[in-house]
Formats: sequence, structure tokens, C-alpha cells
Amino acid sequence: DAGVIQSPRHEVTEMGQEVTLRCKPISGHDYLFWYRQTMMRGLELLIYFNNNVPIDDSGMPEDRFSAKMPNASFSTLKIQPSEPRDSAVYFCASSFRAGANEQFFGPGTRLTVL
Amino acid sequence: GQSLEQPSEVTAVEGAIVQINCTYQTSGFYGLSWYQQHDGGAPTFLSYNGLDGLEETGRFSSFLSRSDSYGYLLLQELQMKDSASYFCAVRKGGQNFVFGPGTRLSVLP
Repeated sequence: DAGVIQSPRHEVTEMGQEVTLRCKPISGHDYLFWYRQTMMRGLELLIYFNNNVPIDDSGMPEDRFSAKMPNASFSTLKIQPSEPRDSAVYFCASSFRAGANEQFFGPGTRLTVL
Repeated sequence: GQSLEQPSEVTAVEGAIVQINCTYQTSGFYGLSWYQQHDGGAPTFLSYNGLDGLEETGRFSSFLSRSDSYGYLLLQELQMKDSASYFCAVRKGGQNFVFGPGTRLSVLP
């Protein structure tokens, strides 16, 4: 398996623009996670899905952020409008089943908002 | 509330043993994970402790004491490639993990 796939790997945009990050989890994994990593706040869980259903979105910072998982092999994280403070590395991760201890992380998307 | 504490930096020499501690205060606790992250890379899973005691995986071991809200990662026979950041993560329930601030390990020749 190719592992978790994220695109784009790097994104530079201007304040106010819409940004869409994409993720393909490992085939057969039931859980998908979106994390954000910054020097100031570390690695934060934004939202996670089980079988395409959002389970916990308490980490989503504000209404400008939204995430969807239309099917088992694809998820998006959208920021609209983007702000400079959204600059971070966004990781997608997946895990196999309930009770699984290991999360498999994708390579991340480095977002810079100017 | 929730908080996890780790030392920000640790330095050791090749071949040595190093211990990275993690203390936590969380509402809800089901286990403690450890992840390694090289600069520019993604976190990769190292170990998980759901019960008290020591888990060993090759050169790495992880320990948990639930009564002390404390765990550690032990790295033996250090190699240069072990230079990375190490994160503990508390499983709060379900698949909800809260990550610590990370410890940057530098291995010197």
C-alpha cells in the first residue's frame, strides 16, 4: 500500500483565499484524522471520522474550517477565508479499526498564508 | 482540562541510553502512545501502553504508571538516526489522542 496520500504537499496562498487540502487514507482503514502542527501549539487534532462520519470536530478552530469525507477513500479540509495564522503543516492520518493503537500519518501539507 | 509535559530537549551520545519522560493530566485516560518525527517528516508510531508496565520493541521500550500519571520512552544503543522529536500522546477515549509538546533528541557522535 502507498500509505496515506496528501495533496498538495506545499501550498502558498494569500489571505482571504479558499484553501482545500486533500487526503486519501490507507485502503481498509475505518478512521481518518486531520491534525495541524505549529511550533506554538504543537500537534493538534482538528477532527476525525469513522466510516466517513465525523465523530469529533471539537478541535476545529472556527467556522472558517470545514472537513468532509464523501467516501472511504477521500477527505478534504477546507479553509475559507484563509488567514496568516492558519499557516501550519496539516497532517492527515488513518487507522484500521476501533481500538487500533497506531495511526498512520501522511507526509503533510505545508500551508503558508501571506 | 488537559496537559502533557515533556522535556523540550535531550542530548546524548551514540551508543548511550536516554529516557524521555511524559507526565499528563487529562480528563479521561485510556493509554499512552509514543511517536517519532524527523525534521520535515511525518510522525511515525513507536509504541502504546494501555496497561501499567514496560513494553519492549527492539531498542525502544516504553513504560506507563497510571497511578503516577507518568510514562517514559527508553532508547538504547543510540544511533545518529535516532535524532528526531519524540511525542507522547494520551488516548482520551475512542480514537481521540492528545499529543504532548515533543522532546527534541540530539544524538552526538
